[in-house]
Amino acid sequence: DAGVTQSPTHLIKTRGQHVTLRCSPISGHKSVSWYQQVLGQGPQFIFQYYEKEERGRGNFPDRFSARQFPNYSSELNVNALLLGDSALYLCASSLIGNTIYFGEGSWLTVV
Amino acid sequence: AQSVTQLGSHVSVSEGALVLLRCNYSSSVPPYLFWYVQYPNQGLQLLLKYTSAATLVKGINGFEAEFKKSETSFHLTKPSAHMSDAAEYFCAVSEREGGGADGLTFGKGTHLIIQP
Repeated sequence: DAGVTQSPTHLIKTRGQHVTLRCSPISGHKSVSWYQQVLGQGPQFIFQYYEKEERGRGNFPDRFSARQFPNYSSELNVNALLLGDSALYLCASSLIGNTIYFGEGSWLTVV
Repeated sequence: AQSVTQLGSHVSVSEGALVLLRCNYSSSVPPYLFWYVQYPNQGLQLLLKYTSAATLVKGINGFEAEFKKSETSFHLTKPSAHMSDAAEYFCAVSEREGGGADGLTFGKGTHLIIQP
């Protein structure tokens, strides 16, 4: 069975630009969450979505937004990119209240 | 608020030796605890999880961890290290098994080095 898939795997953006990252959950999983992992640190929780609604949000500015689609896939959007947004962005999916499974991540470099 | 402290940003052991990676947590409610492994340029893979069913938890690749409430610890061990165990290891805590509205709270990670 396919795991959590994310795209793109790598991308480079310029400060001030906008980026959209995409995630397809494991089949049957309705909950999707996003994490940011800065180099040398552990992942930090950004959002959780379930049934297309935001259920939780970490300590991130409003430049970060996300949405979940009827097929349970999800997008993470980041506006007005800063150098500090350079990180590995991880998507995870789960059956609600069950174990979280992570994708391979999208590497974002802001220059 | 929850937090995780992983003692030792780098741990080096010889191949065949005992692996011990330390994790202490803080939680105001009975916690769910996890260990994840991250190989270079990859995502996170779940090694094992504690969900209150048993204090000694066995995971994949020969790893296990013991939940000690009195010490607020969840240390990861493996009796005999293998070269393929070299990776970054993350301990995480949550109020719910699936992370819930607050997600998982991760430690900063421990880089495990295996000496031949």
